Amino acid sequence: QPVLTQPPSSSASPGESARLTCTLPSDINVGSYNIYWYQQKPGSPPRYLLYYYSDSDKGQGSGVPSRFSGSKDASANTGILLISGLQSEDEADYYCMIWPSNALVFGGGTKLTVL
Amino acid sequence: QLQLQESGSGLVKPSQTLSLTCAVSGGSISSGGYSWSWIRQPPGKGLEWIGYIYHSGSTYYNPSLKSRVTISVDRSKNQFSLKLSSVTAADTAVYYCAKSYYEDAFDIWGQGTMVTVSS
Repeated sequence: QPVLTQPPSSSASPGESARLTCTLPSDINVGSYNIYWYQQKPGSPPRYLLYYYSDSDKGQGSGVPSRFSGSKDASANTGILLISGLQSEDEADYYCMIWPSNALVFGGGTKLTVL
Repeated sequence: QLQLQESGSGLVKPSQTLSLTCAVSGGSISSGGYSWSWIRQPPGKGLEWIGYIYHSGSTYYNPSLKSRVTISVDRSKNQFSLKLSSVTAADTAVYYCAKSYYEDAFDIWGQGTMVTVSS
């Protein structure tokens, strides 16, 4: 199974933007997959945020604010979650996920601290 | 609104079989296109996919767990189940059930149930 690499931690101040990355192994092309993002707060199950394939093929989870958005950096083989206008409630763990061929894999997660 | 609720033994002895059930309410487990998954999270660690079963009954498992996992559906009770055999302390985790539409986002999750493997 492939391994999705996420930085263990990230931090930003309220009102700023946070850019969380999810790097795919070199043998898996980020351009070929939907990248899914989940938010998890302590003691709660993950919450689906959004998926991103391309600018014309993307989707937002139910009730997820538009300040959460996705993108890709093909040159880095990376999926990106951008959170703009950070709020204290955005402090959480964030996981990326892909579904390659009847099997799925999660990234290791990034703990986002809102300073 | 579809909801999921896990249940089962919270304490399992090493080498025994872990058994959990996920009850589906507010919708039918036989609805076309849905897949029903189990995902776990060891204390303080990340998410690990265990496997899923389609509405058709087809199953797909994490290769690292495949030899020990069975996921099944009981349509009469509108629930699906997980069995994980030969457990060790490494199987201690919060176990979640989740629903997706085919191989799409997990949009509905259960609250999770903690399973501890200990003698």
